[in-house]
Amino acid sequence: DGGITQSPKYLFRKEGQNVTLSCEQNLNHDAMYWYRQDPGQGLRLIYYSQIVNDFQKGDIAEGYSVSREKKESFPLTVTSAQKNPTAFYLCASSPPVTGMNEQFFGPGTRLTVL
Amino acid sequence: DQQVKQNSPSLSVQEGRISILNCDYTNSMFDYFLWYKKYPAEGPTFLISISSIKDKNEDGRFTVFLNKSAKHLSLHIVPSQPGDSAVYFCAARSGTYKYIFGTGTRLKVLA
Repeated sequence: DGGITQSPKYLFRKEGQNVTLSCEQNLNHDAMYWYRQDPGQGLRLIYYSQIVNDFQKGDIAEGYSVSREKKESFPLTVTSAQKNPTAFYLCASSPPVTGMNEQFFGPGTRLTVL
Repeated sequence: DQQVKQNSPSLSVQEGRISILNCDYTNSMFDYFLWYKKYPAEGPTFLISISSIKDKNEDGRFTVFLNKSAKHLSLHIVPSQPGDSAVYFCAARSGTYKYIFGTGTRLKVLA
């Protein structure tokens, strides 16, 4: 089955700890993305990567870091510098832009800081 | 500055009637627009899209209209069904890879 997997579905973290959210895709997509959703708000872009070993900051990158060592994987680390990390995190991927392409989303990870 | 806006946070419609969800944008360089449907605690799923060179795209019960001069797009669902109850996001593609999302409209279809 092709798709995007995110793990874990629920994650709890103590204040001051770093935590890494996993995102894997087997769709052979070049581009991958991380979004954050807060109640009553849309999806805000944290980071995106167009190709392996390359990534760009989105609109709310502060307090987050990513890596793209493999095409299939795009983990997101929420660092202790992120002031308000409790949110629903969504990973997405998209194929090369040859026309009209949509993003495919994973099921999300809900992070709660205790 | 919100480049993609969905000004109605919620909408209620009777089953069988038409649902119209609206979206406004500010950047005339957006070349591709999408609608996603999202259930709680799940990732969004793609619904329908439209290129900026078209003004209408239809897929079954779903039709998206684009008015470039007004920088406005709308999603029509007809007839609406209870299973359509979800949050709907519009999105616009900016550049090659970046997508900008609206804040979403929660649709409730009443049986």
